[in-house]
Amino acid sequence: GQQLNQSPQSMFIQEGEDVSMNCTSSSIFNTWLWYKQDPGEGPVLLIALYKAGELTSNGRLTAQFGITRKDSFLNISASIPSDVGIYFCAVTSGGYQKVTFGTGTKLQVIP
Amino acid sequence: EPEVTQTPSHQVTQMGQEVILRCVPISNHLYFYWYRQILGQKVEFLVSFYNNEISEKSEIFDDQFSVERPDGSNFTLKIRSTKLEDSAMYFCASSDWLALTSTDTQYFGPGTRLTVL
Repeated sequence: GQQLNQSPQSMFIQEGEDVSMNCTSSSIFNTWLWYKQDPGEGPVLLIALYKAGELTSNGRLTAQFGITRKDSFLNISASIPSDVGIYFCAVTSGGYQKVTFGTGTKLQVIP
Repeated sequence: EPEVTQTPSHQVTQMGQEVILRCVPISNHLYFYWYRQILGQKVEFLVSFYNNEISEKSEIFDDQFSVERPDGSNFTLKIRSTKLEDSAMYFCASSDWLALTSTDTQYFGPGTRLTVL
């Protein structure tokens, strides 16, 4: 099946630091998504990207859809303790198609 | 804000027993999905459902699994004879794709933790 390689697998950062994580695929996708999952909860959509090269922000979060349509990154600026969680990149071919998730980046923020 | 709900939040069952996991998708949504997440692993697609039939299913979704929309609001996942390896979080999701104001986004419920003993 389709594999999304997400890195890093986990990271510890100090509160206030910026964070960057990325995701690559061997196939082209029309839509890239970034989700956050808190412990015991379902994934919550943070940012959706629909166009190659698109750069989209949501508060302190910024994500980009790679020009090749095979990669994406997520940046979090000025991290705070509630940013703790697992961040998943995901892809879909669009519309009603299934979402394929990456392996996740576990973020820990040290106050 | 409308949300997907799931019951129960935690289900414990004996191996070989049947379980039914329940979901109430967002009311104007037309596409419904089940995903699962084995502890510590990524979220995996199981099945999508539209217009009272399965649109797509993964290799995980074998003959032991079935889905149903028994009425206008519920969407269920049945596992006929549970195995130890079915222990996981099961997430329901729904999408309003095809609606005039569709955002093409799948909204996930909080999940049901299934433990098979």
